[in-house]
Amino acid sequence: SQQGEEDPQALSIQEGENATMNCSYKTSINNLQWYRQNSGRGLVHLILIRSNEREKHSGRLRVTLDTSKKSSSLLITASRAADTASYFCATDSMNYGGSQGNLIFGKGTKLSVKP
Amino acid sequence: DAGVIQSPRHEVTEMGQEVTLRCKPISGHDYLFWYRQTMMRGLELLIYFNNNVPIDDSGMPEDRFSAKMPNASFSTLKIQPSEPRDSAVYFCASGDLQETQYFGPGTRLLVL
Repeated sequence: SQQGEEDPQALSIQEGENATMNCSYKTSINNLQWYRQNSGRGLVHLILIRSNEREKHSGRLRVTLDTSKKSSSLLITASRAADTASYFCATDSMNYGGSQGNLIFGKGTKLSVKP
Repeated sequence: DAGVIQSPRHEVTEMGQEVTLRCKPISGHDYLFWYRQTMMRGLELLIYFNNNVPIDDSGMPEDRFSAKMPNASFSTLKIQPSEPRDSAVYFCASGDLQETQYFGPGTRLLVL
């Protein structure tokens, strides 16, 4: 099974609204990252939050991390049509699934922002 | 820097044919990763290299898949013979092991 799982699988909102996506994971981590993928393109790194951090901001992005609950959330404020994309969380994975130390990606949340 | 470069961008081939995907990582990055993305399985790590040496190939699905990194600026992923179930988007990424990874645009492979 996946190390990180995003929720919801799909989200549709109007331009200007806020979008919140969640990620849960199973094992201890050193950091958690969020990536964005536009249709037909490669993934683009958005933000990295370390296990000793609780919140991080980058422009309209706000990421929180709760290591006690093994969960993270990505908030996009004042969404725009251009934010339409899939969003993935990725965790490092010490001693998980044989790929020790590499990033493990969730299946993503598909965000649709309607103008 | 031009970012991670992959070629070809699209490949259509017939079952049984050999397919070779190519990747040029960002200069200076020590790690190179090959991923496969499908609707059913999401993004899967196939193999990664550190300083041109394969470190973990446990994600390579079968012996039909092989990857090489002859130097710091070039890597290949080969499928021989290809099968329809290999149809997917293959991404190459470079960067650090647990820090930011930079993805190429991907190669969309269709095996008929």
